[in-house]
Amino acid sequence: IHMTQSPSPLSASVGDRVTITCRASQSIGTSLNWYQQKPGKAPKLLIYAASILPSGVPSRFRGSGSGTDFTLTISSLQPEDFATYSCQESFSNSYTFGQGTKLEI
Amino acid sequence: QVQLVQSGAEVKKPGASVRVSCKASGYTFTTYDINWVRQAAGQGLEWMGWMNPSSGDSGYAQKFQGRLTMTRNTSITTAYMEVSSLRSGDTAVYYCARGTTKYGDYDYWGQGTLVTVSS
Repeated sequence: IHMTQSPSPLSASVGDRVTITCRASQSIGTSLNWYQQKPGKAPKLLIYAASILPSGVPSRFRGSGSGTDFTLTISSLQPEDFATYSCQESFSNSYTFGQGTKLEI
Repeated sequence: QVQLVQSGAEVKKPGASVRVSCKASGYTFTTYDINWVRQAAGQGLEWMGWMNPSSGDSGYAQKFQGRLTMTRNTSITTAYMEVSSLRSGDTAVYYCARGTTKYGDYDYWGQGTLVTVSS
C-alpha cells in the first residue's frame, strides 16, 4: 500500500485553519493513524483509527475519512503546532507511512 | 509511566552489523508489539518491522529481509533490532515504538538512536 500526503510543505499562520490530506493506494477502511514530529524528537501519536484522539491531544485536531481518502484538520493553529505530520496505514502488514507534511510558519 | 529507552548512538563501517536495544518500562512488556521505524536525515518515516515480545514472532519489511533481526529478552523487558551488512544508506535515526493490538497505532516511542555508517 502506498500513502501519499499533500500538500508538502504547507505554509500557514497562527490562528489559521489548515487541512492535510493523506491518500492510500487502496482501501484501508479506517486503519489510518496520524503522528506529529518536531525537529530532533520522536513522533507523537496524534490520531488513531482515522478519527480518535488519544488522551491529552487538544481538541483543535480532528481526523476524518475512510477508504482511501483521509484528512487531518487543525482548527486554529497554535505556535506549538508547527511541525511535520505523517500518516500511517495499519491495514496491511507493511504499516506504510506517508512522506510527511511540514507545516511551516 | 510507559517509557521506551534506547541505546546510544553508533558509528559503524560498511559491511558491519549494528544492534540497537529498547528497554521498556511502566507496562507489561509481553502485551504489546514492539515496532521499529527509521528516519534518514530530512526524510520521512520508514517502517522496518514488528516483534511480538510474548511469542518472539516477528515480521519485516520486504526491503530488509535477510538483513534484519528482531529479538527480545523478556527477563529484562528489552527488545533488540539488529541490521547486518550495513551500507551508507542505512545511516538514520532508528526508533522503537509500542504498537497497540486493536488499532495498530504506535502510542509510545523511544527517543531514537542515530546509526552512522561511514568508512
